[in-house]
Amino acid sequence: GAVVSQHPSRVICKSGTSVKIECRSLDFQATTMFWYRQFPKQSLMLMATSNEGSKATYEQGVEKDKFLINHASLTLSTLTVTSAHPEDSSFYICSAREGLAGVDTQYFGPGTRLTVL
Amino acid sequence: AQSVAQPEDQVKVAEGNPLTVKCTYSVSGNPYLFWYVQYPNRGLQFLLKYITGDNLVKGSYGFEAEFNKSQTSFHLKKPSALVSDSALYFCAVRGSYSGNTPLVFGKGTRLSVIA
Repeated sequence: GAVVSQHPSRVICKSGTSVKIECRSLDFQATTMFWYRQFPKQSLMLMATSNEGSKATYEQGVEKDKFLINHASLTLSTLTVTSAHPEDSSFYICSAREGLAGVDTQYFGPGTRLTVL
Repeated sequence: AQSVAQPEDQVKVAEGNPLTVKCTYSVSGNPYLFWYVQYPNRGLQFLLKYITGDNLVKGSYGFEAEFNKSQTSFHLKKPSALVSDSALYFCAVRGSYSGNTPLVFGKGTRLSVIA
């Protein structure tokens, strides 16, 4: 199946700094990518949907100025957590959907664990 | 609006016994249903999906799921559980076939298979 990678897998940063997380589709072109966050023992909560070359669509309650999403190419999307605070500590998972007609499966990256001290 | 309910936080079964993880859904229109599995500190792995056709869908690692439209359910099943099946299982639904509509996830069910 299709492979989605994330980098880094784990990051620890100080409060107030910014962290960038990369999501890549390795063997397919992802016209749509999704970013989720997952708190311990909870489900995945969608943060935003991004399409290549256009602005991301954020879910209600997600601060777009804090969680900057860039989908610059068909294989790369980045999530930047700006001025991170301890409450931003979470497991961030990206997902990509192949842009061909009839393909309907979303593939997920392995996740990035962010810890803000 | 679309939603998914997984009524059980945890399911425990003995190795070799059949397992069922329950899922019910709510969408307007035709549902597109998925099951994913998550191992500790890992992303989600796709197990199976129902789009159209046969109500019984077979997926990876011996898992299968049955789509029941009248009961709006999509329960995950396996005839004989393995200890290695122990993980967190998510049911997800999408109310349209493709495009930008994202998957909506249930809260997850932790499966523990006891040797």
